Amino acid sequence: SQTIHQWPATLVQPVGSPLSLECTVEGTSNPNLYWYRQAAGRGLQLLFYSVGIGQISSEVPQNLSASRPQDRQFILSSKKLLLSDSGFYLCAWSNGGHGGSYNEQFFGPGTRLTVL
Amino acid sequence: RKEVEQDPGPFNVPEGATVAFNCTYSNSASQSFFWYRQDCRKEPKLLMSVYSSGNEDGRFTAQLNRASQYISLLIRDSKLSDSATYLCVVKPGGYQKVTFGTGTKLQVIP
Repeated sequence: SQTIHQWPATLVQPVGSPLSLECTVEGTSNPNLYWYRQAAGRGLQLLFYSVGIGQISSEVPQNLSASRPQDRQFILSSKKLLLSDSGFYLCAWSNGGHGGSYNEQFFGPGTRLTVL
Repeated sequence: RKEVEQDPGPFNVPEGATVAFNCTYSNSASQSFFWYRQDCRKEPKLLMSVYSSGNEDGRFTAQLNRASQYISLLIRDSKLSDSATYLCVVKPGGYQKVTFGTGTKLQVIP
């Protein structure tokens, strides 16, 4: 069966410090991978998604970046964190391919980031 | 108009009650629909996909109304453990991205 891992679970970082969050998926090949952020009391905001190694689509952020160095590894980074980067960061995967009617997404346990 | 809209609630219902949530979407080309459940400070978990003909899983029933562009979730015989936020998710055909609603909070009261 498929599992998705994220680490760390909790992180407290000062403003201006770098960030690296990692997500790995097991039990599937060529998944689509996603990074979301959920601010306190808010909905999920899609940050990046990837359909393959080295292929990254950016939805929003200016000071965040993502990389996919391996098929089942997705990394979220920042060179300098802002206060507004605080939130709950979730990685998700879905079956690969373009569309299909029912590509449900499955989420990792998330990383709760506080920027002080 | 938001792509996906949900009543944020909270819906406070007694144990054993039946409760229904609606979710409206703006893109008439949307192809796939889902309900997720999110417990406080946890990741969203897939509750059920919503099929065109409607589908049922135990106490949960999901319906799709394409003409009016909404999906619904009905929970019968509510349990305390059903207390959570329910997220509506809409996916256009042929794309990898989905759009999440901001969720409806349900509190089941003893």
